[in-house]
Amino acid sequence: NAGVIQTPRHKVTGKGQEATLWCEPISGHSAVFWYRQTIVQGLEFLTYFRNQAPIDDSGMPKERFSAQMPNQSHSTLKIQSTQPQDSAVYLCASSFRTGGRSSYEQYFGPGTRLTVL
Amino acid sequence: GEKVEQHESTLSVREGDSAVINCTYTDTASSYFPWYKQEAGKSLHFVIDIRSNVDRKQSQRLIVLLDKKAKRFSLHITATQPEDSAIYFCAAPMTNSAGNKLTFGIGTRVLVRP
Repeated sequence: NAGVIQTPRHKVTGKGQEATLWCEPISGHSAVFWYRQTIVQGLEFLTYFRNQAPIDDSGMPKERFSAQMPNQSHSTLKIQSTQPQDSAVYLCASSFRTGGRSSYEQYFGPGTRLTVL
Repeated sequence: GEKVEQHESTLSVREGDSAVINCTYTDTASSYFPWYKQEAGKSLHFVIDIRSNVDRKQSQRLIVLLDKKAKRFSLHITATQPEDSAIYFCAAPMTNSAGNKLTFGIGTRVLVRP
């Protein structure tokens, strides 16, 4: 079990460029979460998929951020026209569903450190 | 929505002593309280949780206490060892919303001194 895989581990973009972050959840996990971690704000929820369907994107900045889960093996977070304040570690997590109930325990990937110059 | 406040930003303890991290929450409907550990340069990993049907849970050197009346839960790391040095996050599910997304405390940096 390789755990949650995130690529790239580090990304540097110039202001105004686009950044795409990738996440591969643990095989068999039905829920995928995206969080953002900064020193100032701590860990913030961004968006969440269950069985590939978007369930809740209430934490996503609406204008430039988007997330997709085209198949059960990967999810992407895309940031258009990146700004310096987007600099953060973006964490992906997955959790499984058993017995008809979702597990609360989330397994986190190593994160992608995004730096916007 | 749920808010989780983590009261200690840093804790420095001597090896072998106990470290205690306290968190409070706002939503009385919350029923699950996990703790995560983040070592330097690494991601979060789950260490222990407690559900609202109990007020105490122990896993090896980790003890979690839950006081539902005070809306407070705490992590006790007993007989601390150098490998316990890390940032610890408390969390609770964001209630009144779909799914099991978590709201996290700000994190407590624990340093175990030899």
